[in-house]
Amino acid sequence: GIQVEQSPPDLILQEGANSTLRCNFSDSVNNLQWFHQNPWGQLINLFYIPSGTKQNGRLSATTVATERYSLLYISSSQTTDSGVYFCAVSQTLPNQAGTALIFGKGTTLSVSS
Amino acid sequence: DGGITQSPKYLFRKEGQNVTLSCEQNLNHDAMYWYRQDPGQGLRLIYYSQIVNDFQKGDIAEGYSVSREKKESFPLTVTSAQKNPTAFYLCASSIWTQETQYFGPGTRLLVL
Repeated sequence: GIQVEQSPPDLILQEGANSTLRCNFSDSVNNLQWFHQNPWGQLINLFYIPSGTKQNGRLSATTVATERYSLLYISSSQTTDSGVYFCAVSQTLPNQAGTALIFGKGTTLSVSS
Repeated sequence: DGGITQSPKYLFRKEGQNVTLSCEQNLNHDAMYWYRQDPGQGLRLIYYSQIVNDFQKGDIAEGYSVSREKKESFPLTVTSAQKNPTAFYLCASSIWTQETQYFGPGTRLLVL
């Protein structure tokens, strides 16, 4: 099956710093999503980005599908950015039943004031 | 407000007991999913359902069961056959023709 690896596993930042999170995947994928899991466990969709670059406020993401990686950029980090960031790629389910997500183990970000 | 709700927020299971986790969505999504998350790990797929009265096993279905009698509801039962049930359980849904999944707030299951 598809393998998804994220780096770094942990990241500690001072408020205002910038950071780059990386996601490598082992096979061609049709879809890649970035999620933020807050300290209460809620998963929030950040980007649906099978290829190209997208930006949303202080966050942006780039996926280079031909080289099998994606990057999540966080600029001017804030304490509310703390949590776990997951990358997930789609796996086609048997019997054309749609797709399920294969998750990496995440990057835990801690932003201090 | 449209969204996905899960209940309870915390659930305690005694040895040999079956427990059921609730997942309800009012997004009119066709597909629903159950994932399990262990500490320091990503999410792993337990079961999924594309349409009412149909569901399929995911990667770690042993010790779990589901039903899909209504489009809005996809309850997960953790049976006594699941020997290590302590985890965070997340339910998700999506439109069948799209791949973006939306997640509920989760249920934490602990064994007494």
